[in-house]
Amino acid sequence: AQKITQTQPGMFVQEKEAVTLDCTYDTSDQSYGLFWYKQPSSGEMIFLIYQGSYDEQNATEGRYSLNFQKARKSANLVISASQLGDSAMYFCAMREGLGAGNQFYFGTGTSLTVIP
Amino acid sequence: NAGVTQTPKFQVLKTGQSMTLQCAQDMNHEYMSWYRQDPGMGLRLIHYSVGAGITDQGEVPNGYNVSRSTTEDFPLRLLSAAPSQTSVYFCASSNSLSEAFFGQGTRLTVV
Repeated sequence: AQKITQTQPGMFVQEKEAVTLDCTYDTSDQSYGLFWYKQPSSGEMIFLIYQGSYDEQNATEGRYSLNFQKARKSANLVISASQLGDSAMYFCAMREGLGAGNQFYFGTGTSLTVIP
Repeated sequence: NAGVTQTPKFQVLKTGQSMTLQCAQDMNHEYMSWYRQDPGMGLRLIHYSVGAGITDQGEVPNGYNVSRSTTEDFPLRLLSAAPSQTSVYFCASSNSLSEAFFGQGTRLTVV
């Protein structure tokens, strides 16, 4: 079974609108971390936001927020007030456990295009 | 702050050639890993290391070797390049509490 599932290969959003990128995960661990990365056309991987499994509040970082629904095992990324520079590939990732040896699992990504 | 330094940025190999992708980090991270990124498949783990002298296989290890003689360095060796290894390769490092920090990536083409 896939550890991370991103079901939206491509998404379009109007500039200044909000957009939600979906991510579901699969783990039996109680301790895990969820991450979102942005990959612009230049290719680098940019860390956006982190949510720990024990965090009771949804994580926020500027215009990014993570809608964490633990019972549904979903960790959707919400981008508010979209900008043209938000056009990029977005990857959801999970790390199980607390030890440094636990690997990251990545989804297949969602390509976001912001329309002027 | 250098972070994760990955070289080269681009490389073209002929089938059967070998090469080493270099990766170095200056954050004293225990955990280092190599991924390949192919269209529609996200990032897939090739090999990883939890510290100097310790390496292990990831999801797609065939055709690649790694070693970790120091905390800082984690080179990836392609033993005999094949067209199926045409991909973008990323090195990443982290500690037990942080996100993964990525290198700039290497775009490898095997002809």
